[in-house]
Order: sequence, then structure tokens, then C-alpha cells
Amino acid sequence: EIVLTQSPGTLSLSPGERATLSCRASQSVPGNYIGWYQQKPGQSPRLLISGASIRATGIPDRFSGSGSGTDFTLTISRLEPEDFALYHCQQYGSSPYTFGQGTHLEIK
Amino acid sequence: EMQLVESGGGLVQPGGSLRLSCGASGFTFTSYWMHWVRQAPGKGLEWVSHVSFDETVTRYADFVKGRFTISRDNAKNTVYLQLTSLRVEDTAVYFCARGGSTSPYGLGVWGQGTTVIVSS
Repeated sequence: EIVLTQSPGTLSLSPGERATLSCRASQSVPGNYIGWYQQKPGQSPRLLISGASIRATGIPDRFSGSGSGTDFTLTISRLEPEDFALYHCQQYGSSPYTFGQGTHLEIK
Repeated sequence: EMQLVESGGGLVQPGGSLRLSCGASGFTFTSYWMHWVRQAPGKGLEWVSHVSFDETVTRYADFVKGRFTISRDNAKNTVYLQLTSLRVEDTAVYFCARGGSTSPYGLGVWGQGTTVIVSS
């Protein structure tokens, strides 16, 4: 099973700042099949990035994904108030598909 | 509009069973893998299971250990998750989600979730 570790657990930033979220895998993720999701309280997750770097439909271009192998990054170039939420990474290259424990992005 | 609607959650005693359902609309259901993901209160997401578009492939998380069964009825655009031998630690919101079609893809459509509470 591929274990995903997200860091930091909590990230405190201000609107307008740049956010960098990390997702590290215990072994190389086949196909770099990494997804990033945003979840707000009481809501279902929303897919932001698929295949490590492909923005999902309707996702603003301030969100970008990068990385390969075992190290992946979600970057939000300039934080908007609505971006403060919980972020999850998931690998779907090897079953069982697994999620990281999440990064909580909070307003500083 | 693409939509997934779960149902079937509830309160059940340890050792009990439930069948969760997820109805799909707004997309060609038969073209997609379907997944179940759960989230315990205050915790992160946990992948549970998935089924191929033709039901020939099913896979499960290790913690399922033969207790859960995923299935789908393409004529009804519905995916199911049969939960048996439930444990207190299975308490969670269970989401169904749409996966990839001909190639792997992230979970691009999610339902609102159905809550399962396992308690005596």
C-alpha cells in the first residue's frame, strides 16, 4: 500500500500570499496518478488537479500541481478568501488507492 | 448537470449490516469506474472500494477484509456498497464518486454523502 504524507498539517497564510502544499509518497506513484481535492466544512470534496498537474474543469489557474515519482506539490499562487479549506491528495496509480491525511489551510 | 445521490445510511448496532446506494445522472454512467470513499468525524478521506464500468473488476481497501461488497446496476445507473459485520470504527460519512473512464482519472464528481453510525 502506498502511504501518502501531507505537510504541513496546518498552514496559516493571509489572502494574497502564495501557498505550497506537499504530498510525499512512500513509493513511486505509477503514472504520477495524483489527485488534489479541496473540501470546505460540511461539503463534499472537489477535484482540483488530476494526473499531478492537470487542472480539472472550472478550476482557476491560480491552482497548479507539480511533481513526479514520490514528491508532489499543490501551489496556490495568490490566495483568495474562498481558498481557505482542507486539502487532500490521493494516489490512484496502485490499488488500494490512498489519501493523505490532509492539510488545513487557515487564515492568518 | 452531473449528479450523484447517496442513500441508505443510518444507525446500526455493531455486527449489523447496511446497503448504501448511489444514483447517478447527467453523465454516461456505464462509461465510468465508480468509487466509495468515507470520512470519519473530524478525520481525513479514506478510500474504500471501486468497481469497473462493467463490474468485472472490484477492489477494496485493506481494512474492508471481506466485510464490504461493491456492485453496480448499469440499467438503473446505480452503484451499491453492502456493509456487513460493521464495527464502531466504520462510523463515517460515505461518499460515492466518479472515477476515470478509459484511463485513470481523479474523482471528478462526488455525492453529498450518507452517514453511517455504528453504535450500541
